[in-house]
Amino acid sequence: DAKTTQPPSMDCAEGRAANLPCNHSTISGNEYVYWYRQIHSQGPQYIIHGLKNNETNEMASLIITEDRKSSTLILPHATLRDTAVYYCIVRSNFGNEKLTFGTGTRLTIIP
Amino acid sequence: NAGVTQTPKFQVLKTGQSMTLQCAQDMNHEYMSWYRQDPGMGLRLIHYSVGAGITDQGEVPNGYNVSRSTTEDFPLRLLSAAPSQTSVYFCASSPLAGRPSEQFFGPGTRLTVL
Repeated sequence: DAKTTQPPSMDCAEGRAANLPCNHSTISGNEYVYWYRQIHSQGPQYIIHGLKNNETNEMASLIITEDRKSSTLILPHATLRDTAVYYCIVRSNFGNEKLTFGTGTRLTIIP
Repeated sequence: NAGVTQTPKFQVLKTGQSMTLQCAQDMNHEYMSWYRQDPGMGLRLIHYSVGAGITDQGEVPNGYNVSRSTTEDFPLRLLSAAPSQTSVYFCASSPLAGRPSEQFFGPGTRLTVL
């Protein structure tokens, strides 16, 4: 699986959009980008995933660059409950379910 | 659905003791896995299973055994606990639907080995 690089920490003001970057320059054509988050030592929670098109669900939006070497997770209106560690994971072809977690980005939402 | 459940929530062991961490899911998922998370670190894969009767090793399997006799249950056994196994253990499950899917994680078991 491709390696990912994320900033170790970020702050965002409550109510503003939180933009979390991820670099995955060695991603291959059949690898998906996944985002999970972990709130205060709870089990990780799935947020969103994508292959090459931008994706949006009720939690977030995922913007993947055209060359697929980086992506951005967007939380449109951050709340205090979004304070968590966010993991960007690049996963190989479906059928191989293994997730390789890095150390993620610790996002702190500031009141 | 209860989702993924883990027992116990907390456990303290002495070095050399053995124990089993329980994991169950009620979503009829084929894939189940165990991760450990040490302080300040990401999760590391211990063992995984793609269906009843099939298990395989992950990144850090030493000192742990697993079995998968049913679709629902995937217990993790510590054979002879060591202080290096002090960690938080997470179980996860997902369907093997032939397409990318989310994994569902349990709440974790916090294990301390003295």
